[in-house]
Amino acid sequence: EPEVTQTPSHQVTQMGQEVILRCVPISNHLYFYWYRQILGQKVEFLVSFYNNEISEKSEIFDDQFSVERPDGSNFTLKIRSTKLEDSAMYFCASTRQGLISGNTIYFGEGSWLTVV
Amino acid sequence: AQSVTQLGSHVSVSEGALVLLRCNYSSSVPPYLFWYVQYPNQGLQLLLKYTTGATLVKGINGFEAEFKKSETSFHLTKPSAHMSDAAEYFCAVSNPQGGSEKLVFGKGTKLTVNP
Repeated sequence: EPEVTQTPSHQVTQMGQEVILRCVPISNHLYFYWYRQILGQKVEFLVSFYNNEISEKSEIFDDQFSVERPDGSNFTLKIRSTKLEDSAMYFCASTRQGLISGNTIYFGEGSWLTVV
Repeated sequence: AQSVTQLGSHVSVSEGALVLLRCNYSSSVPPYLFWYVQYPNQGLQLLLKYTTGATLVKGINGFEAEFKKSETSFHLTKPSAHMSDAAEYFCAVSNPQGGSEKLVFGKGTKLTVNP
């Protein structure tokens, strides 16, 4: 079964450093997402991406965050200057024709980011 | 704004017993509803979803859920728990009519299955 893959599975970074989390969505999917889960808290929506642009973002997704689809397969989340409160599990997800169409969102296994 | 409330952060059942995980949602428009499961050290896996049509939805691993609009609920059930069902379960809601691609999750319920 096709799956969303994420790298790295775990990254430790120093506060203030830039981090790039990488994702390979399912190959024929058109909509891409990032979610995060701070330890012990809810899974929270960060951003959705379609047709090479952000289609929706949450208030969490401020100027220190950016997303990019640099080629036909990867989808990345960049955190420009990490803060302690950015420590969380980050989930990438994708769907063929969008959640609005009733499609299933498929999630990756997550990238655990620890900021020290 | 949409929200999801999952009653009980921890639920413990005996193997073979009924599993009932509760989910109530708040939405001003007909929502899409989802249950996801997360096994230890793994990602989120869809168990089942309600979009339109039949309100009783069957999913994987013997789970089912019923959309009850009058009660704004989407409780997850399984007649007989297996040890392998031990995991964390998340209810989620979306707002398709509002044109949103966002899933709003509940806080999750950790299910323990005792032998």
